[in-house]
Amino acid sequence: DIQMTQSPSSLSASVGDRVTITCRASQSISSYLNWYQQKPGKAPKLLIYAASSLQSGVPSRFSGSGSGTDFTLTISSLQPEDFATYYCQQSYSTPDTFGPGTKVDIK
Amino acid sequence: QVQLQQSGPGLVKPSQTLSLTCAISGDSVSSNSAAWNWIRQSPSRGLEWLGRTYYRSKWYNDYAVSVKSRITINPDTSKNQFSLQLNSVTPEDTAVYYCARGAGIAVAGTGYFDYWGQGTLVTVSS
Repeated sequence: DIQMTQSPSSLSASVGDRVTITCRASQSISSYLNWYQQKPGKAPKLLIYAASSLQSGVPSRFSGSGSGTDFTLTISSLQPEDFATYYCQQSYSTPDTFGPGTKVDIK
Repeated sequence: QVQLQQSGPGLVKPSQTLSLTCAISGDSVSSNSAAWNWIRQSPSRGLEWLGRTYYRSKWYNDYAVSVKSRITINPDTSKNQFSLQLNSVTPEDTAVYYCARGAGIAVAGTGYFDYWGQGTLVTVSS
């Protein structure tokens, strides 16, 4: 199975900050990397697919980049509704695997 | 707009079978471009993909090795839904269970999960 890691595991930030989250795969996954946002008590929500494609309806302050084994999710200007946990997921091969998550909370 | 509505019991006794159903609206379980997945989430295991069913001229299933001997995912075309059965459950199977649509197979490998059910907390306890 492909192992996914994320860093940091948590971070504190202020509204308006630029936030970057890193995801690393245990082997090359090309661009088959997706990002999700999850708020407490809710299902994950797809933000970015295929490493850099913005899901319909997702604000443009979210962006993704990377290929191979290293990927980043960037929030250009953190908004109050962005405080949540973020997960990466590889869709290169079965079984699909997720990273452990990065919790973004208020500084 | 695709919607997934989960149903099933929230409490299952050890050694018994966990059964959940996911009703689909706005898409078809027989779609040639989607896959229908079960994913669970627990504090100890995080988000864990369990398996999927999909139709590509015939029905296919993929399962996670960790549950492969205990899991069955079945489509029900008459009701446009799919189900999860997990046998011989233990307290380690306690989790929030989600159904999700897998899409974008052409551009995203095995696909991304773009629509999710509301989640069902299943507790395994006597």
